[in-house]
Amino acid sequence: DAKTTQPNSMESNEEEPVHLPCNHSTISGTDYIHWYRQLPSQGPEYVIHGLTSNVNNRMASLAIAEDRKSSTLILHRATLRDAAVYYCILRDVSGGGSNYKLTFGKGTLLTVNP
Amino acid sequence: SAVISQKPSRDICQRGTSLTIQCQVDSQVTMMFWYRQQPGQSLTLIATANQGSEATYESGFVIDKFPISRPNLTFSTLTVSNMSPEDSSIYLCSARPQANTEAFFGQGTRLTVV
Repeated sequence: DAKTTQPNSMESNEEEPVHLPCNHSTISGTDYIHWYRQLPSQGPEYVIHGLTSNVNNRMASLAIAEDRKSSTLILHRATLRDAAVYYCILRDVSGGGSNYKLTFGKGTLLTVNP
Repeated sequence: SAVISQKPSRDICQRGTSLTIQCQVDSQVTMMFWYRQQPGQSLTLIATANQGSEATYESGFVIDKFPISRPNLTFSTLTVSNMSPEDSSIYLCSARPQANTEAFFGQGTRLTVV
C-alpha cells in the first residue's frame, strides 16, 4: 500500500488558517488522496478528497502538489471545534475501483488555541 | 449520507466471554467495514463485511476470533470471541453508501475486558 507521512501534531490559533501537510511520495497514478478527521470520542468523519486538481468544499481546501507526492489540507479559519486528529489516506483500490478500503495512518493531532 | 448506530456504546466484559456488536445503517449501503482502535492509536481495519457471503479479513485477524455477519444491506455484527484484556479497544463500524462515495463511521463501541 502507498503510505503517507504526517507530522504527529500541530498547533493553531482560533480564527487563523491551518495548513496540514501530508507526504505520499510513493503514490500511484490512480490513487486518490482522502482526508478524514476524528474529533475526540467520535468516529472519523470525511473532510475532502482529490486526485490531481485542488479541491474546495464547505469544510476545507485540498492543495495537491503538481507531482502529487504531497498534499496540504487547508482549514481557512480554525475553530475550537476543528481540534481533532486529521488523517491523510491514499485510496487503496483492491478488487476493482469501487471496492476500495481505507487504511489509516497515525494522523496529525491538531490543537486549536483560543 | 448515512447515519450509523452502534450497540452497545460501551461494555465491560469478563475474559473468556464473547461480545456481539451491532451496526445499523439508516440506508442501504454497498460496503461495510469493521475497525479496531486501541487506546491512543489509529484505526486498524479488521475486515470488510460482505453482504451474503463471508467477510474478508485483514492480515492478523481471523474469523474464529472476530466472526462477522452481514445479512442485508443495512446491518452487520462483529463478535469479539473468547476475549482477553488485549481486546480492550474501541470497535468502529464504517459504511460506504455507493461506489466512490465517502465513508461514514459509527460512534464506536468501547470495550473493556477485565
